[in-house]
This record gives sequence, structure tokens and C-alpha cells, in this order.
Amino acid sequence: QSALTQPRSVSGSPGQSVTISCTGTSSDVGGYNWVSWYQQHPDKAPKLMIFHVNQRPSGVPDRFSGSKSDNTASLTISGLQADDEADYFCSSYADYSFYVFGPGTKVTVL
Amino acid sequence: QVQLQESGPGLVKPSETLSLICNVSGDSMSSSDWYWIRQSAGRGLEWIGRISASGSTDYNPSLKSRVTMSLDTSKNQLSLRLSSVTAADTAVYYCARRLVVVVGATRYYYFGVDVWGQGATVTVSS
Repeated sequence: QSALTQPRSVSGSPGQSVTISCTGTSSDVGGYNWVSWYQQHPDKAPKLMIFHVNQRPSGVPDRFSGSKSDNTASLTISGLQADDEADYFCSSYADYSFYVFGPGTKVTVL
Repeated sequence: QVQLQESGPGLVKPSETLSLICNVSGDSMSSSDWYWIRQSAGRGLEWIGRISASGSTDYNPSLKSRVTMSLDTSKNQLSLRLSSVTAADTAVYYCARRLVVVVGATRYYYFGVDVWGQGATVTVSS
């Protein structure tokens, strides 16, 4: 069982926006700005999409944005595209385990 | 372009030791910290541990008693050993590089993984 909580799935039509939540505690998400988000397509390694809550690595479209409020971090995908259909995982530093992941959210583009 | 490639036995017997190697190309081992992360259907993504360029380590507390990570800078390799394996250790094992952002002469170590290997599937079964 993951230390962080994510919805199992979210969906949206092309062009719409979807938001994925990642809920933890003050010992992980709420206590640090060390939250990252990863995209994973089937049979591929994860890809870093957001780090430090809201920073995008070079090459990641600005349609992807991150935020945090209290113990919940969020990833928003704007202007949804077919290739955005994938699993998305949040991760956070945790003072009890160094690095923890969420269980993943499947994004479906309708 | 940085590339990481895991290699090792795909099948390990219960109670034995799982050993994996990660070859790093296109980068120096001194450029960052290096992680091992695994993924299974039952446990999702799980951080195994971290090794710094100087060889210092941090391990997941739940695996700490069974894990050993090491670095061979002369070969640009990192290695993972996980002892006394059970079926619960069946997973895809990734080696990965910690995100470092260089601004001028300063290196900023962030909490994120910017380069992943393709993953090595390891099954624990007799």
C-alpha cells in the first residue's frame, strides 16, 4: 500500500484539462517542496514531468503544471492530447523513508 | 546523450541473492547521485536506495537489511545486490540518475529522477 494517495483514474476529451491529486501527510508532501510527477506509457520507463512541486524539466510542454496546498500536490494537464494518455505517478521526499511514490493515476483521453 | 542499461539474471531462486549491474554511458558517475527503483504490479513504484558519487548510501528502511549498492567509477557502473529474495521481490528494476541542474558554476541537486534505464525484469521463482 502506497504512502501517497492518488485517484485510480481520470479522463477528459482532447483539449480539456484534467487534474490529478496526490495526498500525503506533513511527513512527506506537506512538509517539503520535494514533489515530483512522472508520466509512464505502457512498457516504458517513467519520464519526469514536474520537479520541486512546479518546475518543468527542459522539453516538457507548459501544458503540464504542478502545485501544492497543505498535504496535497496536484498535476494539471491542459489542452489534453492523445499522447497524454498514460499513467502518472507522484513522488515525494518522506522523512520516514527518503523517497515515496503514489500508486499512479491512469489518464484516459476520450 | 546519457543512457543507462541494466543487466543481470532474469530469474532468481527464492532465498538467493539478486544481482544487477547498470552501465552508464554519456555521463560521469561523479555528476550526480544514482538510484535503484523497482516496479511491480502489486507494490507499484518503490525506491530501493541511493548511492552518491562518493559512495555513500541511503536505503529504503523496508529493504535496508537486504540491500547493498556500490559504484565502480572506473567502469562507469553501479551495482545492486538484494539478498534472501522472495516472490515479493519480483519486479522490473530500474537504475536512474538524480536530477541535477547546473547554473553557472553551481550544481543544484533536486529531488527527482531525470534519466531512467529501460528496466530489467527479475522473476523470483524456483
